[in-house]
Amino acid sequence: GENVEQHPSTLSVQEGDSAVIKCTYSDSASNYFPWYKQELGKGPQLIIDIRSNVGEKKDQRIAVTLNKTAKHFSLHITETQPEDSAVYFCAATPRGSARQLTFGSGTQLTVLP
Amino acid sequence: EAQVTQNPRYLITVTGKKLTVTCSQNMNHEYMSWYRQDPGLGLRQIYYSMNVEVTDKGDVPEGYKVSRKEKRNFPLILESPSPNQTSLYFCASSLWEDGETQYFGPGTRLLVL
Repeated sequence: GENVEQHPSTLSVQEGDSAVIKCTYSDSASNYFPWYKQELGKGPQLIIDIRSNVGEKKDQRIAVTLNKTAKHFSLHITETQPEDSAVYFCAATPRGSARQLTFGSGTQLTVLP
Repeated sequence: EAQVTQNPRYLITVTGKKLTVTCSQNMNHEYMSWYRQDPGLGLRQIYYSMNVEVTDKGDVPEGYKVSRKEKRNFPLILESPSPNQTSLYFCASSLWEDGETQYFGPGTRLLVL
């Protein structure tokens, strides 16, 4: 089955700096890669996703890149703000949808004011 | 308001005492699933359901049961809880046609003594 590794487990950045979280996956058939943000005391929420036929996707300050050859994908957050502080999870699936995802272990992002 | 609700939010119990965690969604979603979240392991799927009376095992189903008698409800049953089932549990739902957005509940924190 799919295995997803996520790094780093914790990340602290100064407000306004950029943050990058990286994930690698094992199943070359995986074709859907979402990122979830989990705020304290809440359930995860989808923030951005990418499919295997696309190399990069942006949504305002958030971007995701995918390298199929190397089997890794990354989340980039620019101009970080205190409200970006949360746990971020990457995930992957070969099934083309969010219904059977394999999640990474999570990254605790702290944005320091 | 569209949402997934879980009850209880916090639960302390003892080994072997049967318990049920309820999950309900008001979005008429066909697909529902249960995850457990453990430190360093991310989210792992326990069971999922594609519609009423249709359920299947996820990655870590041992020790759990589910039922889907109504479209809106998907309870998680621990018939004989053990300490290794101490975890944070999330219910999620999505439209079958929209496989990309899973809506997560707020979570249930379970401690089995």
